[in-house]
Amino acid sequence: EAGVAQSPRYKIIEKRQSVAFWCNPISGHATLYWYQQILGQGPKLLIQFQNNGVVDDSQLPKDRFSAERLKGVDSTLKIQPAKLEDSAVYLCASSLAGIDYEQYFGPGTRLTVT
Amino acid sequence: AQSVTQLDSQVPVFEEAPVELRCNYSSSVSVYLFWYVQYPNQGLQLLLKYLSGSTLVESINGFDAEFNKSQTSFHLRKPSVHISDTAEYFCAVSLRGSYIPTFGRGTSLIVHP
Repeated sequence: EAGVAQSPRYKIIEKRQSVAFWCNPISGHATLYWYQQILGQGPKLLIQFQNNGVVDDSQLPKDRFSAERLKGVDSTLKIQPAKLEDSAVYLCASSLAGIDYEQYFGPGTRLTVT
Repeated sequence: AQSVTQLDSQVPVFEEAPVELRCNYSSSVSVYLFWYVQYPNQGLQLLLKYLSGSTLVESINGFDAEFNKSQTSFHLRKPSVHISDTAEYFCAVSLRGSYIPTFGRGTSLIVHP
């Protein structure tokens, strides 16, 4: 079974530029999550999707971050404009259906904002 | 709200030595507890979990952890570590019934030959 795929693996941008990350969850997984992992900290949940609807985006900085999950499969996370403090690893995870199923994580996208 | 404290940011050990990575949690309600491992340049992998029942849980690669409700701890242990165990280990807690964890800051296990 293929795991969660993410691209790109690495991205370097200057502050105030925009960037987008892509995630393809495990086939058949209805729930998708985006996490932000700042160096030296544990991952923090940004947003949770159930199929193509948002379940929880309370921790998403909506003035600059946006995410979508068209057709309930792939998802993109966008930052516009980026700030220095956005430098982090962005992890995507998926689970079969809902919060009571185990999450499977992708390898992450490491973003460096200069 | 739940929270997790990992008491050590880095734990250096020699190969074949025992190791314990400490984790304490805080919650006013029943919880699930998890340990995740993150190898260099890889995503998080679930190592083991406590949901209910036996307080001692084991992983397939020789780690175990014991849920201690009175001390609100869930320490991770291995009797003999290998070089390949070098990784970042995250303790996490979630509300009972949920697999959405709140993570600790992580402990870097460094195994020296």
